Amino acid sequence: LAKTTQPISMDSYEGQEVNITCSHNNIATNDYITWYQQFPSQGPRFIIQGYKTKVTNEVASLFIPADRKSSTLSLPRVSLSDTAVYYCLVVLYNQGGKLIFGQGTELSVKP
Amino acid sequence: DTAVSQTPKYLVTQMGNDKSIKCEQNLGHDTMYWYKQDSKKFLKIMFSYNNKELIINETVPNRFSPKSPDKAHLNLHINSLELGDSAVYFCASSQAGTPNYGYTFGSGTRLTVV
Repeated sequence: LAKTTQPISMDSYEGQEVNITCSHNNIATNDYITWYQQFPSQGPRFIIQGYKTKVTNEVASLFIPADRKSSTLSLPRVSLSDTAVYYCLVVLYNQGGKLIFGQGTELSVKP
Repeated sequence: DTAVSQTPKYLVTQMGNDKSIKCEQNLGHDTMYWYKQDSKKFLKIMFSYNNKELIINETVPNRFSPKSPDKAHLNLHINSLELGDSAVYFCASSQAGTPNYGYTFGSGTRLTVV
């Protein structure tokens, strides 16, 4: 079962680029890497998903090296409202779409 | 127009009581879930239903019983509540065949057992 490991917390300042790295050494061939964002008193919200190389959307970029044992979520020019917990996880599509959450990274953006 | 809605948002109750949490989704998804988030922020799946059929049942005490009257609803009933049941419970829904399965979470129910 693929397990993810990521830093417990990170600090940043407004306008900076933030990179959060996640390791998933035993990721399976069929697993996708997905990142979720959670604000206090809210449910997790999907940010981005990828299988390999690079994926970019209007919110973030996701970099996945060829061996897929790690991935990096990149948030460009963060603002105070990006303060949240970010979860790196794998999606088990062959198990009904079960999500396996790690401990998450608590990102604090300061003025 | 809330996609996945749970009620109540907060629930405070005494040990030994029986309580229910309700969840409804208006996304037309065919799969619904219950997740539990403990005080250390770990989110763990409890149950999953697909078109009213139970497909995932993690190691959860028998005191927890999900019920799905139709594919838009998944309720969670908890008997004989214990202090350790205190957590935030999230309902979610998804649809296979859509990007990221269209996974959508509700805003959670904070259960406090005293």
